[in-house]
Amino acid sequence: QPVLTQSSSASASLGSSVKLTCTLSSGHSSYIIAWHQQQPGKAPRYLMKLEGSGSYKKGSGVPDRFSGSSSGADRYLTISNLQFEDEAVYYCETWDSTIRVFGGGTELTVL
Amino acid sequence: QVQLQESGPGLVKPSGTLSLTCAVSGGSISSRNWWSWVRQPPGKGLEWIGEISDSGSTSYNPSLKSRVTVSADKSKNHLSLKLTSVTAADTAVYYCARADGGFDIWGQGTLVTVSS
Repeated sequence: QPVLTQSSSASASLGSSVKLTCTLSSGHSSYIIAWHQQQPGKAPRYLMKLEGSGSYKKGSGVPDRFSGSSSGADRYLTISNLQFEDEAVYYCETWDSTIRVFGGGTELTVL
Repeated sequence: QVQLQESGPGLVKPSGTLSLTCAVSGGSISSRNWWSWVRQPPGKGLEWIGEISDSGSTSYNPSLKSRVTVSADKSKNHLSLKLTSVTAADTAVYYCARADGGFDIWGQGTLVTVSS
C-alpha cells in the first residue's frame, strides 16, 4: 500500500510564499493525491486534487494563492502571499482500490 | 451543495460499541461516490476507518477491519459507523467524508470519548 511522508513543521513570513512537500513511497510515484487544510479546532477542508503530471483541480472557494505541482514522487502545495489564516496543518491523502492513506501532516506557522 | 452532519453518543464505555450516523443533505448517498469515516485522536493526525460505495461495496482499514462496519441507508440518506470492543485508544473526533477521488466534502466531526 502507498505511504505518504510529510515534514512535521514549516514556517514562513506573512506575505511570503511557502512550498510544502508530500512524498509518495517507492512504487507509487504516479499516484494522484489530494491536499487538505485543517485550521485549529476545525474540520479538514479539501484544497485540491493533484496528479503526477502537475495538473491540479482546486475545490470550490479555494483562493488563487494556493497552487500545486509535482516532480517524480513528490507532490507540492505552494501558498503565495501568506496570510495569518493560512496557519494550519496541511495533510496529503492518496488512495487505491482498497485503501486510503494520509500523510502525517505539516504544521505551518505564519511569522 | 452537499453537506454532511455526524451525530451520536459523545461517551462510550470501554468494551462497548461506538455507533455514529452521518446525515447527507443537498445530495444523494446513491450518487456515484464513496462515503467514508475518518477519525482523529486528540492532538494527532487523520486515520481512515472505512467506506461504502453507492453500490454497497465496502472497504476497511486493515488495522480496524475486525471491529468496523460501515453501512448506508438510502431511504434515510445517511451512512452509519459501528466500532465494537472500544478502548481509550478509540477516543477521537470522528468525521464522515465524501470521496470523489480524494475526500472533497467533510462533515464538521463529532468527538467520541471512551471512558467508564
